[in-house]
Amino acid sequence: EAQVTQNPRYLITVTGKKLTVTCSQNMNHEYMSWYRQDPGLGLRQIYYSMNVEVTDKGDVPEGYKVSRKEKRNFPLILESPSPNQTSLYFCASSRSGTGSYEQYFGPGTRLTVT
Amino acid sequence: EDQVTQSPEALRLQEGESSSLNCSYTVSGLRGLFWYRQDPGKGPEFLFTLYSAGEEKEKERLKATLTKKESFLHITAPKPEDSATYLCAVGGSGNTGKLIFGQGTTLQVKP
Repeated sequence: EAQVTQNPRYLITVTGKKLTVTCSQNMNHEYMSWYRQDPGLGLRQIYYSMNVEVTDKGDVPEGYKVSRKEKRNFPLILESPSPNQTSLYFCASSRSGTGSYEQYFGPGTRLTVT
Repeated sequence: EDQVTQSPEALRLQEGESSSLNCSYTVSGLRGLFWYRQDPGKGPEFLFTLYSAGEEKEKERLKATLTKKESFLHITAPKPEDSATYLCAVGGSGNTGKLIFGQGTTLQVKP
């Protein structure tokens, strides 16, 4: 089954404790992206990757890091989480990064930082 | 600036009562317009892609249409299981592959 998977699905952590949210897709997609969704603010792009070893900042990159060493994986790293990073996070993938193709989203990771 | 506006914010229908959701967009050169369904706490589920004015796509009780300035999602004879938030998005005009999302329309269908 074609899908985007994320782990963990739920995470409660404390300020400053480094964490990684994993994302994997099995559709051989070139493009992958991370979004966060907050009430009243909608979906905002954090980072994106056009292909392996090619990553760039989205609209709200502060406090986040990413890497793309393999085509299928695109982990999101929070080096020193803060309470304002409490949010619902989605990983997405697409055939390409032209904006012409639909993106497929993972199930989401609900992160709470206390 | 790329922008997507959806209306209404919320819509309550009786089962079987057809209606339409609106998505107005402003983008430099439309690359694609996308409709998604999102259930609470879950990831957006892809429904349709539209590329050019006049194009239509259908899936069960849903039909999406596109003009040069807006898109409509028509829901015919909805059922309670159609209750969800429907999101509209366009491919952004920059080279980021980013989707620009509207705020969504939350649909509730009562039996």
